[in-house]
Amino acid sequence: GDSVTQMEGPVTLSEEAFLTINCTYTATGYPSLFWYVQYPGEGLQLLLKATKADDKGSNKGFEATYRKETTSFHLEKGSVQVSDSAVYFCALSNTGNQFYFGTGTSLTVIP
Amino acid sequence: ETGVTQSPTHLIKTRGQQVTLRCSSQSGHNTVSWYQQALGQGPQFIFQYYREEENGRGNFPPRFSGLQFPNYSSELNVNALELDDSALYLCASSQGGTQETQYFGPGTRLLVL
Repeated sequence: GDSVTQMEGPVTLSEEAFLTINCTYTATGYPSLFWYVQYPGEGLQLLLKATKADDKGSNKGFEATYRKETTSFHLEKGSVQVSDSAVYFCALSNTGNQFYFGTGTSLTVIP
Repeated sequence: ETGVTQSPTHLIKTRGQQVTLRCSSQSGHNTVSWYQQALGQGPQFIFQYYREEENGRGNFPPRFSGLQFPNYSSELNVNALELDDSALYLCASSQGGTQETQYFGPGTRLLVL
């Protein structure tokens, strides 16, 4: 079945460091790919998405590129801030109207 | 614009009982999806309702069932509760299905004793 595998955490970085959170997927057909974020004390919210191969999603300085050849959708940010501390979830939506989340990666950014 | 709301916020039940959780979708959204999130895990997709019909289902047994009403609000019903059903249940609404941006509610935390 379809699934998402993301890098295990927790991840701790210093402010202004470069961030990569790896995400790979298994799916039949052509899924849409997402990164959702959960800030402390808040609900899940969409960070960015990409709906077809080679699309790049971007928001708030975060980017991820839909790579069909490597079945990946890695999240990157060039310079993290303390306010980026949160749990990040990679997810996919397939053509069968099903939705799959990864297990989440906790990020802590220290000043 | 009113966001997604869920009720109740917390619930305690005993094994074998039945529970109903409720969700009001964001204004203008016609699709509601339900998820189960165990502690420390990612949300697991239960099912999706689009215009009052079940439109996609994850790997959950039939004792998990749902409804969507004409105003697009929704209910999740779980029969014959088991201890492993203890989790945070999330509702998300969208306009047009899970391919679109989903807006999540705060969740209902269910404890089964």
